[in-house]
Amino acid sequence: KNQVEQSPQSLIILEGKNCTLQCNYTVSPFSNLRWYKQDTGRGPVSLTIMTFSENTKSNGRYTATLDADTKQSSLHITASQLSDSASYICVVSGGGSYIPTFGRGTSLIVHP
Amino acid sequence: GAVVSQHPSWVICKSGTSVKIECRSLDFQATTMFWYRQFPKQSLMLMATSNEGSKATYEQGVEKDKFLINHASLTLSTLTVTSAHPEDSSFYICSARESSSGRVGSYNEQFFGPGTRLTVL
Repeated sequence: KNQVEQSPQSLIILEGKNCTLQCNYTVSPFSNLRWYKQDTGRGPVSLTIMTFSENTKSNGRYTATLDADTKQSSLHITASQLSDSASYICVVSGGGSYIPTFGRGTSLIVHP
Repeated sequence: GAVVSQHPSWVICKSGTSVKIECRSLDFQATTMFWYRQFPKQSLMLMATSNEGSKATYEQGVEKDKFLINHASLTLSTLTVTSAHPEDSSFYICSARESSSGRVGSYNEQFFGPGTRLTVL
């Protein structure tokens, strides 16, 4: 069964600090992995996308890593800002279906 | 960039009424559109997949007679919640995937709309 597990479920950090979110998946065969940011009451917005051959992808203060051998990905946020408060969702495509598998998301709260 | 809009952004209705939500791809043609439902603090749950000009494919447990989906053109899909009840109150999000000959996205990327908050009294 295709599954995507994210940790932690929620995270609270102080403004300016760094943090790392984790994503483990069992989707096989693997096609690509995306990280989305979803602000409360809004639709998800794509941050990064990585295929099998890519192990690092950056988008400003967001850096995603991918280890296709261990089926793990991480999203590192540098110098967090209050606007980073949101839910971060890991989405993996593949597994013999064109419908991707969504993780439950990590809720990040950045406090001043 | 690829933009997907939804209308309305929020709606409040009485129990028993029907509500229609529109999903439009503004600057690209979407062969496939997806409808999701999201309850508070939970992940998106796929309700159905619609392909232009054909019947929608519903996920297990989703009543097709209650959630009517129409995908009449490459830029518009509608979700109608029929005879809505309070338990249908949720955040409904659509996404659109560009046609195979498209130029906007990559790797069959889905572009999400801003969502519609439905509250049934």
